[in-house]
Amino acid sequence: IVMTQSPATLSVSPGERATLSCRASQSVSSNLAWYQRKPGQAPRLLIYGASTRATGIPARFSGSGSGTEFTLTISSLQSEDFAVYYCQQYNNWPPYTFGQGTKLEIK
Amino acid sequence: EVQLVESGGGLVQPGGSLRLSCAASGFTFSSYSMNWVRQAPGKGLEWVSYIGSSGDRTIYYADSSRGRFTISRDNARDSLYLQMNSLGAEDTAVYYCAKGQGYCSGGRCYNWFDSWGQGTLVTVSS
Repeated sequence: IVMTQSPATLSVSPGERATLSCRASQSVSSNLAWYQRKPGQAPRLLIYGASTRATGIPARFSGSGSGTEFTLTISSLQSEDFAVYYCQQYNNWPPYTFGQGTKLEIK
Repeated sequence: EVQLVESGGGLVQPGGSLRLSCAASGFTFSSYSMNWVRQAPGKGLEWVSYIGSSGDRTIYYADSSRGRFTISRDNARDSLYLQMNSLGAEDTAVYYCAKGQGYCSGGRCYNWFDSWGQGTLVTVSS
């Protein structure tokens, strides 16, 4: 299953909303996760089951979608949110597949 | 607190071998599936291999690693390993170990990766 994320780069001002998209080449039901990756740090699980926040993840992060279309929304961007975000499907595996990532940068 | 600490990376010549290790703590290691995921320079995340928990020793590999890489675990030592042979430049990447978490339904299991290590860099170059 090919996961396609858009846009590749998203420029947003602090305090604004960011909307990241992820599309699967075939249905993955709700078996989709989102991860945050900062330079020099381990990837961090944000969302699993398409919409369930992982432990300790702030409420400004929300996920939605099912089937082939998914969205990660960050409601009010904080400085620490600027990072690269990856979606991953775990419905049809092996292999687990990731999107190519969306870089969220400060506008 | 879950901790995963990778080691064993370094510079290796093309065709060479390396053995990566991942030391786990803060959870019952034997009860969870584990994975290796890598990120090449300037690229995205790529899943490499999976090994089931002690109750299910299923092993899977990505096409890019099958036949060259071997995943294993030592539950007595709370450790995960990746033996990598016949390395090529395309294997240059930061390698992460990642703990699986999920559920099973209808005879299938669905796992996401809820904890990751900091990674170990593997550079394949002459």
